[in-house]
Amino acid sequence: EAGVVQSPRYKIIEKKQPVAFWCNPISGHNTLYWYLQNLGQGPELLIRYENEEAVDDSQLPKDRFSAERLKGVDSTLKIQPAELGDSAVYLCASSLDLGTDNEQFFGPGTRLTVL
Amino acid sequence: GENVEQHPSTLSVQEGDSAVIKCTYSDSASNYFPWYKQELGKGPQLIIDIRSNVGEKKDQRIAVTLNKTAKHFSLHITETQPEDSAVYFCAASVFDYALNFGKGTSLLVTP
Repeated sequence: EAGVVQSPRYKIIEKKQPVAFWCNPISGHNTLYWYLQNLGQGPELLIRYENEEAVDDSQLPKDRFSAERLKGVDSTLKIQPAELGDSAVYLCASSLDLGTDNEQFFGPGTRLTVL
Repeated sequence: GENVEQHPSTLSVQEGDSAVIKCTYSDSASNYFPWYKQELGKGPQLIIDIRSNVGEKKDQRIAVTLNKTAKHFSLHITETQPEDSAVYFCAASVFDYALNFGKGTSLLVTP
């Protein structure tokens, strides 16, 4: 079975440009997470979806970041405009159900470099 | 919010020795404590987890212990092998909500 798929794997953009990341979770997983991982740090949650509903977006910088999961399956995370400090790895994870013995499965991440 | 501290930041052991990584957490409501292994260029992978109703859990060469009173939990890897070299993250959460990660431990196992 395929794991969590993310694309692109790498992205280099100039500051003030927009960028978008795509995630396809494991089939049947209704909970989807976007995490930000800075170099040498652990992942930090940006947003959590249960199906198509964003149930926790308290850590998402809403002035420049947006996310959607329109059909409750794949998801897109967007930054507009990007800043130098946004350079990081953006990880997507999914789990089968919230509140049960569910493991979060992570994708390989998208490494963003903002010049 | 939850604050998870992890030590050491780097750990070097010889093949066959044991490795221990320790984490503390601040939120007494946290009840789920997973450990992830992250290899270069890959996403974190769950290696073992423990819930607050259990004090210890073991899976082959890997074990985790939890002390709820002291709010700390530890990862123990015995008979280390070179392929155990990676960055290890501890995390804590209330149920299975958003994971709060430590800063990671870079483990190097030398032959």
